[in-house]
Amino acid sequence: QKEVEQNSGPLSVPEGAIASLNCTYSDRGSQSFFWYRQYSGKSPELIMFIYSNGDKEDGRFTAQLNKASQYVSLLIRDSQPSDSATYLCAVTLPLSGTYKYIFGTGTRLKVLA
Amino acid sequence: DTAVSQTPKYLVTQMGNDKSIKCEQNLGHDTMYWYKQDSKKFLKIMFSYNNKELIINETVPNRFSPKSPDKAHLNLHINSLELGDSAVYFCATTERRNSPLHFGNGTRLTVT
Repeated sequence: QKEVEQNSGPLSVPEGAIASLNCTYSDRGSQSFFWYRQYSGKSPELIMFIYSNGDKEDGRFTAQLNKASQYVSLLIRDSQPSDSATYLCAVTLPLSGTYKYIFGTGTRLKVLA
Repeated sequence: DTAVSQTPKYLVTQMGNDKSIKCEQNLGHDTMYWYKQDSKKFLKIMFSYNNKELIINETVPNRFSPKSPDKAHLNLHINSLELGDSAVYFCATTERRNSPLHFGNGTRLTVT
């Protein structure tokens, strides 16, 4: 079982719709949770981070964390063609006094104009 | 000013050669990482340094040797390059443990 799993997609949504991206993780010791967006040929850029159960909103983005079910999701409201990218989920695991950042394989999102 | 900068951006070389990638950060962060991203976009951690000390060393062939001359720099030297080493290598930093990673622009390595 992979440590962090995401559906590779592509997930296609029409412009203006809500895009829902999901991520599950296997280790209950996971501490922090991040969503990154990566455009083709570019480096990952941070969208959201969440540390505790519940929802966290920032503009059109909402991150949701459910530690009991071991999943974290990202909702993108009013999706725009410019949101088309690969979305990477990452979690941290404590390791020998530090933290290891583990990524999923990413979900490719296509927003159709 | 670029916060995390990597050089070179592109590197094309032949099998068997030795090459280095450099990373510099001006964020004042203590922890730096090397990640490898394969063609399927999977980002795999390779190494982590905290204040010049190696703290994470994943199962990486010993042809890969990181080096941190000071807190702001983390280099990656690769000996005897193989076709499978072709990937994008990202340097990243964190302000403190458990906080978000800040990525450099990546180095696309192509081994022919």
